[in-house]
Amino acid sequence: AQKVTQAQTEISVVEKEDVTLDCVYETRDTTYYLFWYKQPPSGELVFLIRRNSFDEQNEISGRYSWNFQKSTSSFNFTITASQVVDSAVYFCALQPFNSGTYKYIFGTGTRLKVLA
Amino acid sequence: SQTIHQWPATLVQPVGSPLSLECTVEGTSNPNLYWYRQAAGRGLQLLFYSVGIGQISSEVPQNLSASRPQDRQFILSSKKLLLSDSGFYLCAWSGRRVTGELFFGEGSRLTVL
Repeated sequence: AQKVTQAQTEISVVEKEDVTLDCVYETRDTTYYLFWYKQPPSGELVFLIRRNSFDEQNEISGRYSWNFQKSTSSFNFTITASQVVDSAVYFCALQPFNSGTYKYIFGTGTRLKVLA
Repeated sequence: SQTIHQWPATLVQPVGSPLSLECTVEGTSNPNLYWYRQAAGRGLQLLFYSVGIGQISSEVPQNLSASRPQDRQFILSSKKLLLSDSGFYLCAWSGRRVTGELFFGEGSRLTVL
């Protein structure tokens, strides 16, 4: 089965706190891609990052960092020193590659509320 | 640069009425096209995707249908709406390569009364 699980439905933090959003995926494909998207209140999804299954290096982009661990099938997203503008729904997604599918499978999202 | 646009942005329809949501992509050719639905408080559910004109793959059997009459046009339709069709509909495209990020439209919020 191809599946993405975001167990945290909603997280509230106070501004400047660090927060980690969890993502666990399931796939039998040996080649796959993982994504994170941000959905601000406006509704349009904004692409944040793409990772392929052969690249387990962690990535940092400003206050954002991503930790990919194949051993635990996880692709977690950390926001350091959170800001009110980070308030949004965040989605993790999986694209299996071996099966030749063009599908992107999304998790149910985590709503992040950053309080001033 | 590539852009994606979908309309209408907001729609309120009575139960049993038809639906047509339209999505167009500019600045690219042969895109893969997708329709997702996001119900209130729920995740993104893939409804349809298309890898070419007239080629539609349906993921969830339901009251909706999709068509791709032109390379960069994707239409979501229903003959008779149900209450459960309410939600936020998102069109998206990706490049011809099997993998690459999805680019989303602004979304269409449908309320069925």
